[in-house]
Parts: sequence; C-alpha cells; structure tokens
Amino acid sequence: AQKITQTQPGMFVQEKEAVTLDCTYDTSDQSYGLFWYKQPSSGEMIFLIYQGSYDEQNATEGRYSLNFQKARKSANLVISASQLGDSAMYFCAMRKIQTGANNLFFGTGTRLTVIP
Amino acid sequence: DVKVTQSSRYLVKRTGEKVFLECVQDMDHENMFWYRQDPGLGLRLIYFSYDVKMKEKGDIPEGYSVSREKKERFSLILESASTNQTSMYLCASSSGANNSPLHFGNGTRLTVT
Repeated sequence: AQKITQTQPGMFVQEKEAVTLDCTYDTSDQSYGLFWYKQPSSGEMIFLIYQGSYDEQNATEGRYSLNFQKARKSANLVISASQLGDSAMYFCAMRKIQTGANNLFFGTGTRLTVIP
Repeated sequence: DVKVTQSSRYLVKRTGEKVFLECVQDMDHENMFWYRQDPGLGLRLIYFSYDVKMKEKGDIPEGYSVSREKKERFSLILESASTNQTSMYLCASSSGANNSPLHFGNGTRLTVT
C-alpha cells in the first residue's frame, strides 16, 4: 500500500519568508502523481499543485513550487513570500496511476502558522 | 468551476440511528469518493465509485455503505451510527485523467451521541 509521511505536525514562518513543508512517500510503482492541498480553518480542501512521476521539471504554481526528488521519494512543498492567509493545514497526497478510480492517499498534514 | 455540494454542514445523530450523507457534483465526473478526516490521521478513504452503481472499498469501509444510483450523486450510509464514527466527512469527485485533482465539498461534521 502507498504511504505518505509528513513529519512536521506544525511549522511557523515569518511573514514574507519562504517555508518548506516536507513530504516523503513510499511506493514500488513507477507511475504515480503527487498533489498538495491546503485546508484553511474554514475546512475546504484547496488543490495547490501537481507533479507527475515522469515530469522532469519541478512543478510551480505562483508562489508554490514542488521540490521533487524522485530517488529520495520526496515531494516537498515550497511556499515563497509567505502571507498571513497561508496559515492553514497542508496535506501531501499520492495517486497510483492505474485503470479504474484514481483515489488519493493522504499524509497526516502539517499545520503552518505565518507570524506577522 | 467544479462544485461539489454536501447536503449538511453539521449533523448530530444518536447511537444506532441510520445516517445518510449526501453529495452531488455538477461536472459530470466519473469518479466520486468519501473520505473521513480525523486529527492526526489525515484523510482516510472510506469508499469510492468509478461509475454509476459501481463501488469499491477504501481503507476503512467497516460500518459504512454507499450508493450511486445517478452519476452526479454519491451517498454515504452509516447503517447503525456509533460514537467512533464522530468525524468530519469529505466528499470529492474527479475526472478520469491521471493528473486531475480531487475536488472536495465543504465537509459534513457528524457528531454521534
């Protein structure tokens, strides 16, 4: 079974600084996808960024980038220029590429707090 | 924009009651999912469906069942609610593409007393 590990239950960052949220995964598959979601206190799950296992370039979406190191099986999320609105839970997730439904396996999350 | 709507934001039920959680999506997605979220445990998959009337067990299906009679609607059923089913329940949908994200509803916080 796929396993996603987020070792940081909580993180603090100063406003305008960059922060890295760690994610490692365990799979024997060659084809998979990695996702990051943000969950603010309102509870909605917001999709942030996607990285495919065969993508050679690290994914970027605005202030979010994914530091993908395939050999180390890590997919860390980097948030640049942190804003107060970035305070939220962040979840890393993985999808096994297969026929049929394409469910995601989630990590336990990291709570990020941005300090003014 | 994809919209996934869960019928209730908060629900309080008594032990032993039969509970229905409803979810509707408006993007004609083939795949729909029910997750439960608990502090320190992340999101865990209960059931998913990749087509009408098709369903597959996820990681924690015990005590739950699902129904998908129409493509846009996916219902989660607690046959006899128990206190350990007190949790946040999240419904999601996605297209069949490998890089397609899951689109989530706002969640239903269920309390079983």
